[in-house]
Amino acid sequence: GAVVSQHPSRVICKSGTSVKIECRSLDFQATTMFWYRQFPKQSLMLMATSNEGSKATYEQGVEKDKFLINHASLTLSTLTVASAHPEDSSFYICSAPATGGGGVQETQYFGPGTRLLVL
Amino acid sequence: GIQVEQSPPDLILQEGANSTLRCNFSDSVNNLQWFHQNPWGQLINLFYIPSGTKQNGRLSATTVATERYSLLYISSSQTTDSGVYFCAVLITSGTYKYIFGTGTRLKVLA
Repeated sequence: GAVVSQHPSRVICKSGTSVKIECRSLDFQATTMFWYRQFPKQSLMLMATSNEGSKATYEQGVEKDKFLINHASLTLSTLTVASAHPEDSSFYICSAPATGGGGVQETQYFGPGTRLLVL
Repeated sequence: GIQVEQSPPDLILQEGANSTLRCNFSDSVNNLQWFHQNPWGQLINLFYIPSGTKQNGRLSATTVATERYSLLYISSSQTTDSGVYFCAVLITSGTYKYIFGTGTRLKVLA
């Protein structure tokens, strides 16, 4: 099946630091990728849709100046948490449709996630 | 927006038991997937099932789109089945995105 990787898998940083998380589709191209956030014992909440070559689409309530998304190539999307604070501590997961284009028949494949702890 | 509710929220089984997990959604959807999130957080695709029934080993799933629900059956459960099970529905009105259900946390005891 399709493989999606994330880096880093875990990061601990001080409050005020900016943190970049990478999401890569390893064996397929993805014009669309999705970023989710998951708090302990909760479900996944969609944060934003990352579109290659254009601006990301953010869900209601997600600060676009706080969570900066760049989808610079067909295999890489990055999420930067700007000036992270303890309340940003969470599990961040990316996904991509299997054939990359985002059509109705797509199956989503997920990265292994990044655990962010802001002290 | 669409609501996706799963039941039960928590389930404890003895190894070898069978179980049924349910996913209800409040509006028409284009697709539905079932996932298993292992203790390390990795989401694993189980079924892509917009309608009908599929089986894969000890797992099977049924989606009745007209009645807005899907069921995941686990037979002869094993300790490795422990984790959280999510359904996620695809909506395409306006934008294309998956909305996750509330999840069922399963613990299988040896």
